[in-house]
Amino acid sequence: GAGVSQSPRYKVAKRGQDVALRCDPISGHVSLFWYQQALGQGPEFLTYFQNEAQLDKSGLPSDRFFAERPEGSVSTLKIQRTQQEDSAVYLCASSQRGAATGNEQFFGPGTRLTVL
Amino acid sequence: RKEVEQDPGPFNVPEGATVAFNCTYSNSASQSFFWYRQDCRKEPKLLMSVYSSGNEDGRFTAQLNRASQYISLLIRDSKLSDSATYLCVVNPPNQGGKLIFGQGTELSVKP
Repeated sequence: GAGVSQSPRYKVAKRGQDVALRCDPISGHVSLFWYQQALGQGPEFLTYFQNEAQLDKSGLPSDRFFAERPEGSVSTLKIQRTQQEDSAVYLCASSQRGAATGNEQFFGPGTRLTVL
Repeated sequence: RKEVEQDPGPFNVPEGATVAFNCTYSNSASQSFFWYRQDCRKEPKLLMSVYSSGNEDGRFTAQLNRASQYISLLIRDSKLSDSATYLCVVNPPNQGGKLIFGQGTELSVKP
């Protein structure tokens, strides 16, 4: 079956531009997570949705970062006024159940963002 | 101190070797632990969960020591296809399932 998909796969932005990254989770998955992975590092948590509710946004690095999941399926991560330090791979993951530890998360291929 | 710490490597081993990766975590209340595998420029994929009693899946054995807050992964009879980055992952309690990743340990298996 279809896994998690993300688009675009690659994005080059000039410093100061706004970008929007899309995630299509596995159909029916309740939980959706966004992670940021810098080169040579493990992924770092950004935010978490259970259906359409954003239950945790503690990992968003600044108020330039905004995420939404208005209908409880597709999610968009928006970064305003991009900075060079925003360059990273942005990974989306979904899991079948909500608000529980131990559920396997399935990751998408990521969006590689480069800010010039 | 990072919440999850791993030796970044790289570990360069010949085919057939046994290799062990270690990881420590800081939140003693953590309940769920995993090893994920990430190939170059690919997404992380679950390799195995780690249970208190230890668990084995073919050539892979995972161990958890709660008293020392220490997790290990042992790979026996290494294959070329095992070359990847191995991520130690912890699910902290009461935080909705978010994962805390270590930096990852790079493994390169040579012929």
